Amino acid sequence: GESVGLHLPTLSVQEGDNSIINCAYSNSASDYFIWYKQESGKGPQFIIDIRSNMDKRQGQRVTVLLNKTVKHLSLQIAATQPGDSAVYFCAENIGGAQKLVFGQGTRLTINP
Amino acid sequence: NAGVMQNPRHLVRRRGQEARLRCSPMKGHSHVYWYRQLPEEGLKFMVYLQKENIIDESGMPKERFSAEFPKEGPSILRIQQVVRGDSAAYFCASSLDPSNQPQHFGDGTRLSIL
Repeated sequence: GESVGLHLPTLSVQEGDNSIINCAYSNSASDYFIWYKQESGKGPQFIIDIRSNMDKRQGQRVTVLLNKTVKHLSLQIAATQPGDSAVYFCAENIGGAQKLVFGQGTRLTINP
Repeated sequence: NAGVMQNPRHLVRRRGQEARLRCSPMKGHSHVYWYRQLPEEGLKFMVYLQKENIIDESGMPKERFSAEFPKEGPSILRIQQVVRGDSAAYFCASSLDPSNQPQHFGDGTRLSIL
């Protein structure tokens, strides 16, 4: 399943399936992008990052894709597990600004 | 290796009182950021500090809010004469090198105004 992550929509997936969370960023000058996971009552937890000179980066069970042409970022989570339930935020660092601009987030829920 | 530490975790104040939120960055990090989060929303940048200097305060309200990061001790976000609209979660983040390293966040202070 897919979801656009700017209005806190909810994405529900079956345990074991792959999840894809999308994000449209706003500023063509952004040069560094980060995905964070936020569980209830906690702060954002770093998942994976990507610089603007790359279009793909892989981590453990996660992959981030960057399409600068359409200013789109996605997070793919392989073999989704119950512990992946959280709100996921993309954040962009506008070149030189040294501050993060966050999207609204996407709530990921896992069905057993 | 301790992460970003914030205290208190929960703070209740009455309208007109002062709120002080503290943040100790990760060891070795000299770049500190404060963000505010309302329920069901993303985080909004408030201020970026390095030791003893405010680098960017473009997200801070012009009145009642101030931040510092002294040479010794934690960073402090201070809100004077709090109003109901100040109720939110306030998060602190730190970074080793913000140009190519991610910001790492604490678990926030939940501020409630009665």
